[in-house]
Amino acid sequence: EAQVTQNPRYLITVTGKKLTVTCSQNMNHEYMSWYRQDPGLGLRQIYYSMNVEVTDKGDVPEGYKVSRKEKRNFPLILESPSPNQTSLYFCASSLGRGFDTQYFGPGTRLTVL
Amino acid sequence: GEDVEQSLFLSVREGDSSVINCTYTDSSSTYLYWYKQEPGAGLQLLTYIFSNMDMKQDQRLTVLLNKKDKHLSLRIADTQTGDSAIYFCAERGANQGGKLIFGQGTELSVKP
Repeated sequence: EAQVTQNPRYLITVTGKKLTVTCSQNMNHEYMSWYRQDPGLGLRQIYYSMNVEVTDKGDVPEGYKVSRKEKRNFPLILESPSPNQTSLYFCASSLGRGFDTQYFGPGTRLTVL
Repeated sequence: GEDVEQSLFLSVREGDSSVINCTYTDSSSTYLYWYKQEPGAGLQLLTYIFSNMDMKQDQRLTVLLNKKDKHLSLRIADTQTGDSAIYFCAERGANQGGKLIFGQGTELSVKP
């Protein structure tokens, strides 16, 4: 089954404790992206990747890092989480960066105390 | 930057039609999308329309695009309680590196 998976689905952590949210897709998609969803703001793009070893900042990259060492995986790294990063995070992928449909993962709800 | 706006709430009775509206600012928009998010779930693509189209119909869903006014709408015919969810409008412009710009989401509540 074609899908985008994220882990963990729920995470509660404390300020400053490094964490990684994994994202994996099995559709051989080149384009992958991370969004955060906050009430009243919709989804905002954090980082995106157009292919292996090619990443770029989205609209709200501060406090986040990503890597794309393999085509299928695109982890989101919070080196020193802060409470304002409490949010719902979605990973998405599409065949290319053009006009292909983006498929979304189920989301990761992160709470930073 | 580019912006997409939606009203936050819509309440309808079961069996009625729902119309969710969206406005956007990017004149280079190529594709416009409607996503549905059910409670606790990710985003599910409902339908999309290419910018050179005025209308697209898919079963109970009708998308209307007024490119001159940069206005997009989603009509759901015979709305059911299972349609209760948050609906996001999103646009993808020619110059945005593949990024989707989302509206705030419209929470649709369907009352029996």
